[in-house]
Order: sequence, then structure tokens, then C-alpha cells
Amino acid sequence: AQSVAQPEDQVNVAEGNPLTVKCTYSVSGNPYLFWYVQYPNRGLQFLLKYITGDNLVKGSYGFEAEFNKSQTSFHLKKPSALVSDSALYFCAVREPVHTGGGNKLTFGTGTQLKVEL
Amino acid sequence: GAVVSQHPSRVICKSGTSVKIECRSLDFQATTMFWYRQFPKKSLMLMATSNEGSKATYEQGVEKDKFLINHASLTLSTLTVTSAHPEDSSFYICSARDLSSGTYNEQFFGPGTRLTVL
Repeated sequence: AQSVAQPEDQVNVAEGNPLTVKCTYSVSGNPYLFWYVQYPNRGLQFLLKYITGDNLVKGSYGFEAEFNKSQTSFHLKKPSALVSDSALYFCAVREPVHTGGGNKLTFGTGTQLKVEL
Repeated sequence: GAVVSQHPSRVICKSGTSVKIECRSLDFQATTMFWYRQFPKKSLMLMATSNEGSKATYEQGVEKDKFLINHASLTLSTLTVTSAHPEDSSFYICSARDLSSGTYNEQFFGPGTRLTVL
């Protein structure tokens, strides 16, 4: 069964500093990996995804993530954090359809990012 | 871009009543929609997968008679919480799979519905 781990409940960073939100996964075969952001009382907004190809994926709002197969990780990064980046971030994984994973997304427990002045 | 709406955004109801939540894909067709439940400061829990024209597939532990799902068209799925109780209070989020997005079948999420049962 597929699973995702986000080891940090909260990450605090000063505005202007780089940020990293960690994610590791477990899945059969090659994973489809996603990052979503959620603002209070709102649904999830798509940030970026890795399907295949270049291990460094660039997404919305200056975010990027690096797929590392050997470490089974997909950490979210941003070179310079903004206060407006403060939100709840979810990593998610989906198995390819041909492995029987269907279309189910499995989410991590979320990491609250707090960017302070 | 693909937009998914939910209605209502917030609902407060009395214990024992039923509440219907709508999920619509506004600018694309979705044969499959997903219903999630999110508790405060917790991850999303998949409740069921809603397939257009057929019965929904429920995750283990989710009562199908409690959470009725109907997916009557390619743009609309509804979740009805029957005989709601305070423990059903939660944030319910739907997502829709875009047919045109090819193999990767990206999911697009609605803004969520906050249900409070008194």
C-alpha cells in the first residue's frame, strides 16, 4: 500500500530565508507525487507534481520540489520565503494505474508552514 | 484552469437532520469525483470515490448508508449526510478528475464545506 510521511508538524522560517518542507513516500513502482497548499477554511490548491523526467520540478508561486528515488523523498523548497506562504502543505502520492493503484491520492499528515518577519 | 465548486461553503444543522453538499466541475467533465473528510489540523481522509452513472466506492469504515453519494452527471456529485450527529461535524472536500488530463488524471479540489451539527 502506498503511504506518505511528512515528519514535521510545523516549520518556522524567517521571511527571505529558504524553506524546505519534507516528504518521504512508499509506493510500488514509479510514483506520481504531488504537493498541495491549503489556506484556512479553503480547499487544496495544486502547487506542483512529479510524474517523470527531470527530478527538479518547478511549480506555482516560486515553489519547487526535488524527486530523489534513492531516498524516496520529494521535499518542497523555495529559495526565499514570504509571509504569504504561511499555510498548511500536503504531500501526496498516487500509484500508476497499471500497478492497481487506481486514482487514489494518499496524503501526508500535513506540515504547517509559518513565515515570520 | 479546471475549477471545482462546492455548495454550500458552510452549513449548520440540527442533530438528526440530513444535509446535502454539492460538488461541481465548472469547466471540465469528470467521470470520477472523490469525497474527503478533514478533521482540524489533520490530513484528508478519503471517504469514497464517486463514479458517474454507477454506485460509489466507499473506503473501509465509511458507512454508505450514512454518507449517500450520487453522481448523476459528468459535472455534479452530491454527498448527503443523513441523520447528522455532532460527530459528523467536519470539513468536507471534494475533488474531480479531469478526463482531458490524460494518463495522469489530475485531481482538482473544491473549496470545501464546513459542516457543524448542533
